[in-house]
Amino acid sequence: DIQMTQSPASLSASPEEIVTITCQASQDIGNWLAWYQQKPGKSPQLLIYSATSLADGIPSRFSGSRSGTQYSLKISRLQVEDTGIYYCLQRYSNPWTFGGGTKLELK
Amino acid sequence: EVQLVESGGGLVQPGRSLKLSCAASGFTFSNYYMAWVRQAPKKGLEWVATISTSGSRTYYPDSVKGRFTISRDNAKSSLYLQMNSLKSEDTATYYCARHPGSFDYWGQGVMVTVSS
Repeated sequence: DIQMTQSPASLSASPEEIVTITCQASQDIGNWLAWYQQKPGKSPQLLIYSATSLADGIPSRFSGSRSGTQYSLKISRLQVEDTGIYYCLQRYSNPWTFGGGTKLELK
Repeated sequence: EVQLVESGGGLVQPGRSLKLSCAASGFTFSNYYMAWVRQAPKKGLEWVATISTSGSRTYYPDSVKGRFTISRDNAKSSLYLQMNSLKSEDTATYYCARHPGSFDYWGQGVMVTVSS
């Protein structure tokens, strides 16, 4: 199974700051990576697919990038509503596996 | 607007069975792979099952293989998850999700508690 190691596990940042969350894949998964946001008490929402493509309706403050087997989600100009837990997902091979999550809190 | 509405959750004893349903609307259901993803309390996300458009192919992780069965009724735009031999570690919120590659739309989730 492909392991997705996500970091940091948690972070706290101020509005308007820039934050970056990373996922390290245990093997090559190409661009078969997605990012999700889960707000408290809600179901996950797709933010980024194919490593760098923005999902419909998602603000351009969110962006994804890849360097080898490391994937990053960058959130620019943090807003209060960005509070939540962020997960990566590899969809390269079965079983599809998620990262452990990054809890983002706004100061 | 894509809508996925799960139902059928509840409290069940270990070893017993439960069947979840998901009613889909707002898209052509028969054109999409569908999936179930679960989340144990205060834990992360775990993919549980996927089914092809016709229902002829199904996929499971080892943690549920042989105990869970995913199925669909395209005429009713409905997805199902039959869960047998339930264990305490199956306690989770179960989400129905559209699965064209990534899980692009999710339902609100339904809680399943396995406890005596």
